[in-house]
Amino acid sequence: GDSVTQMEGPVTLSEEAFLTINCTYTATGYPSLFWYVQYPGEGLQLLLKATKADDKGSNKGFEATYRKETTSFHLEKGSVQVSDSAVYFCALNRPNFNKFYFGSGTKLNVKP
Amino acid sequence: DTEVTQTPKHLVMGMTNKKSLKCEQHMGHRAMYWYKQKAKKPPELMFVYSYEKLSINESVPSRFSPECPNSSLLNLHLHALQPEDSALYLCASSQRPQTDTQYFGPGTRLTVL
Repeated sequence: GDSVTQMEGPVTLSEEAFLTINCTYTATGYPSLFWYVQYPGEGLQLLLKATKADDKGSNKGFEATYRKETTSFHLEKGSVQVSDSAVYFCALNRPNFNKFYFGSGTKLNVKP
Repeated sequence: DTEVTQTPKHLVMGMTNKKSLKCEQHMGHRAMYWYKQKAKKPPELMFVYSYEKLSINESVPSRFSPECPNSSLLNLHLHALQPEDSALYLCASSQRPQTDTQYFGPGTRLTVL
């Protein structure tokens, strides 16, 4: 069945460090891929998405590229800020299904 | 505007109480969703409404009763809950059923005593 695997957290970085959060998926067909972010005590916010192979989603300095050959959608940011501290969820949604498959979430802690 | 609103923000209830959670969106979306999220876990899908009709029920206990009065509103009626039902309840919507992006509300933090 469909699934998403994320790297275990928490990830702790110093401000201005480079961030990578790994995400790999298993799915039939051609799913759309997403990163959502959840700040403490809040709901999920869409961070970025990609709907086909080789697409790059980007927002607020974050980027992820849909790699079909490696079934991956790794999240990257060149210079993290304290305000980026949150939980990040990778997710997929197959065409003609209205069900998301979420990864387990990766908590990011950024220290000043 | 991609806003989904939820009320109340926090709710404390006893096991014999009846309460309701509300969700509203004015984006013209025709699919709406209820999720349950426990601490340090991803959201778990509970119900999906497509064009105001229940299309998916993920084997949720009957003490949770969803309702979609119109295309903008989604309710979750709660009755005889258990302490293990304490969680963050998230509402989401998408433009149409079976389209990709879901937009989430801020959630209702529910505590069952």
